[in-house]
Amino acid sequence: KQEVTQIPAALSVPEGENLVLNCSFTDSAIYNLQWFRQDPGKGLTSLLLIQSSQREQTSGRLNASLDKSSGRSTLYIAASQPGDSATYLCAVRPANYGQNFVFGPGTRLSVLP
Amino acid sequence: GAGVSQTPSNKVTEKGKYVELRCDPISGHTALYWYRQSLGQGPEFLIYFQGTGAADDSGLPNDRFFAVRPEGSVSTLKIQRTERGDSAVYLCASSWEGDSPLHFGNGTRLTVT
Repeated sequence: KQEVTQIPAALSVPEGENLVLNCSFTDSAIYNLQWFRQDPGKGLTSLLLIQSSQREQTSGRLNASLDKSSGRSTLYIAASQPGDSATYLCAVRPANYGQNFVFGPGTRLSVLP
Repeated sequence: GAGVSQTPSNKVTEKGKYVELRCDPISGHTALYWYRQSLGQGPEFLIYFQGTGAADDSGLPNDRFFAVRPEGSVSTLKIQRTERGDSAVYLCASSWEGDSPLHFGNGTRLTVT
């Protein structure tokens, strides 16, 4: 059974810092991995989707990498801003267990002005 | 265009009652997912529809939970004989076929008293 973990559980940084969020998954047989952002009381917003054949995806100040063989992904946020404060979740779509995405518990990020 | 719409946004019900939660996906999206999220945790998969049929219902916790999507668009999640442990935020997501990003609604917060 696929399991997804995220480290750290919470992170607080001053504005302007570059930071890295980590995601690990136990089974490397995946179709893709997706990073989401969730603001309090809201649904999830898709940030980046990486297909299993890709190594990274970039969108603005965000860069996500995927190392499928080691079961790891990182989300890099450059020049963090207070508006980046939210919970960041990663999810993998297993290749062997049906069509659903399996989510990690998230990293709660606070960017201090 | 319009995103995924979920109604109601909040639902309070008494233990033992029946509830229906509605999801209106993005127009044209063939895939529809229901997830459940408890405080501080990542979303937990419930059921996935491809068109009108439930392609994967392995996440439904027991036979009190049922979901339909009769015309391949709007979906309704139905919970019979609600229990206090059913209290959570119920999230709906939709996507195009294949490996495309998930788009989430803002969820329905269900509270069973």
